[in-house]
Amino acid sequence: DAGVTQSPTHLIKTRGQQVTLRCSPKSGHDTVSWYQQALGQGPQFIFQYYEEEERQRGNFPDRFSGHQFPNYSSELNVNALLLGDSALYLCASSSTAGELFFGEGSRLTVL
Amino acid sequence: AQKITQTQPGMFVQEKEAVTLDCTYDTSDPSYGLFWYKQPSSGEMIFLIYQGSYDQQNATEGRYSLNFQKARKSANLVISASQLGDSAMYFCAMRGDFGNEKLTFGTGTRLTIIP
Repeated sequence: DAGVTQSPTHLIKTRGQQVTLRCSPKSGHDTVSWYQQALGQGPQFIFQYYEEEERQRGNFPDRFSGHQFPNYSSELNVNALLLGDSALYLCASSSTAGELFFGEGSRLTVL
Repeated sequence: AQKITQTQPGMFVQEKEAVTLDCTYDTSDPSYGLFWYKQPSSGEMIFLIYQGSYDQQNATEGRYSLNFQKARKSANLVISASQLGDSAMYFCAMRGDFGNEKLTFGTGTRLTIIP
């Protein structure tokens, strides 16, 4: 049983570019959440998707957007990249009010 | 708003000794859940243990136990008989009531086990 898988694992972008990160949830999970973890910090909640809709959002600008597909997989899009967007982006999946399982993350470097 | 405080940025512990990682929290939600995660250098957040705010007994999972003191708003993680593989970052996190299910994390504690 595959856990949460994320792609790509590492990527480098330049300021002003756009990036798309992908997440496949654990089998049987219908809810996907995204977190940003800056170096030396705890993860910060970006948003959560359930039934293809954004259900809850953290304190992140509109440059951060997402999508959930009918198969429950999800994408995180970040536009107009800033140096401060460099971080590990973690995806977590869960069933309703259940335990969260995290992927290994996508490490984004913005130059 | 929810807040998690971890006051120990780093800890060094001798192998086979027990270690306690501190966590205090603040929330206005009437019910909530408390989590501990381990993050090795690979980056994955590994779930260790969960405590619900209405659970009567402290949670245990193998070598991990959670010392939950609701009145003091603390949820300390106890690792018994530490092993070299326990060296990692440890995060305390909180999830609120239904409709507020995001996890709020602390800043973490880096645990290093000394042989």
